[in-house]
Amino acid sequence: AQSVAQPEDQVNVAEGNPLTVKCTYSVSGNPYLFWYVQYPNRGLQFLLKYITGDNLVKGSYGFEAEFNKSQTSFHLKKPSALVSDSALYFCAVRPKTGANNLFFGTGTRLTVIP
Amino acid sequence: DSGVTQTPKHLITATGQRVTLRCSPRSGDLSVYWYQQSLDQGLQFLIHYYNGEERAKGNILERFSAQQFPDLHSELNLSSLELGDSALYFCASSVVEGAGAEAFFGQGTRLTVV
Repeated sequence: AQSVAQPEDQVNVAEGNPLTVKCTYSVSGNPYLFWYVQYPNRGLQFLLKYITGDNLVKGSYGFEAEFNKSQTSFHLKKPSALVSDSALYFCAVRPKTGANNLFFGTGTRLTVIP
Repeated sequence: DSGVTQTPKHLITATGQRVTLRCSPRSGDLSVYWYQQSLDQGLQFLIHYYNGEERAKGNILERFSAQQFPDLHSELNLSSLELGDSALYFCASSVVEGAGAEAFFGQGTRLTVV
């Protein structure tokens, strides 16, 4: 069965500092990996995805994520956090075979402190 | 704006009632997914349609049903509503079925059952 773990419910970081939001997954084979962000009273917005190739993928708003096959992780990172980055972040996976839907983690609330 | 339109944005109804949530996918997208977001369950996949055909079911109750019409819009029908059905219901669309395609989410319908 597929599962996605976001071990931290809450991450606090000071503005200007680097941020990391963690994600690990358990999926048979190599899945497609995604990050989404949800602002209050809004839908989920796509940030970035890993399909194949370079383990470091770059996405919207200066975010990037690193795929680590041996650790089955796909951590979201940003070199310098902005107050406007404060939101709920979801990691998601889609297996390469079988189900076509996205399986989501439980979300991590990021708060950037001015 | 993701291009996915959901109506209504808010819905308040009584227990035992039936409601219909509507989703218009992005132009050209053939896949529609429905998700339920609640505080205790996170984002749960309900059902997936591709070009009018049901492709996969997730944690969808028997009281819930959905369909995708020839113009590709989709409706999620919730009947015999219970207090526990109160949640945010999201529709997402993508151009293809699964693979590495990201899904684009609507802003959701917030259902409150009283």
